[in-house]
Amino acid sequence: SQTIHQWPATLVQPVGSPLSLECTVEGTSNPNLYWYRQAAGRGLQLLFYSVGIGQISSEVPQNLSASRPQDRQFILSSKKLLLSDSGFYLCAWRGLAGNGVGETQYFGPGTRLLVL
Amino acid sequence: AQKVTQAQTEISVVEKEDVTLDCVYETRDTTYYLFWYKQPPSGELVFLIRRNSFDEQNEISGRYSWNFQKSTSSFNFTITASQVVDSAVYFCALTSGGYNKLIFGAGTRLAVHP
Repeated sequence: SQTIHQWPATLVQPVGSPLSLECTVEGTSNPNLYWYRQAAGRGLQLLFYSVGIGQISSEVPQNLSASRPQDRQFILSSKKLLLSDSGFYLCAWRGLAGNGVGETQYFGPGTRLLVL
Repeated sequence: AQKVTQAQTEISVVEKEDVTLDCVYETRDTTYYLFWYKQPPSGELVFLIRRNSFDEQNEISGRYSWNFQKSTSSFNFTITASQVVDSAVYFCALTSGGYNKLIFGAGTRLAVHP
């Protein structure tokens, strides 16, 4: 079965510091991968998605970047964090989970980022 | 433009009550997909259901049921005999076209009290 991991689970960083959040998927190959952000008490916003190694699509202009160095690894980065980067970051993969549902996005446990 | 509206920000019920979460969507695509996700306090989004635009059959899974009506662009979610463990934020979402972008509603926070 497929599993998706994210780390760290929580992170407190000062303004202006760099950021690296990692997401890995197991049990599937060549998945579409996604980064979402959820601001406090708000819905989810798609930040980036990737259909393959080295292929990144950005949905919104921002202080963040994404990379996909390996098939099942997706990294979210920033060179200098802003206060507004605080939020809950969720990684997702899209695929067939083998339960007859059809293609669906499945989410990881998330990373809570607080920028002070 | 695509849009998902969940007009109910918060709902509070007592255990064993039935509760319906509303979802209204907008899209110009003829083929699209609708989803419901549950976000418990731990934060992880848990997939509940996917519905294709060409399949208007309602679905029941245990205490959960979904009512899809294309005529009113609605995809409502009903929990029968609610339980405290149902307390969470519930998101309705829509995707179409390249299938890479899920458009989420703002979510409905459901609190079930004993």
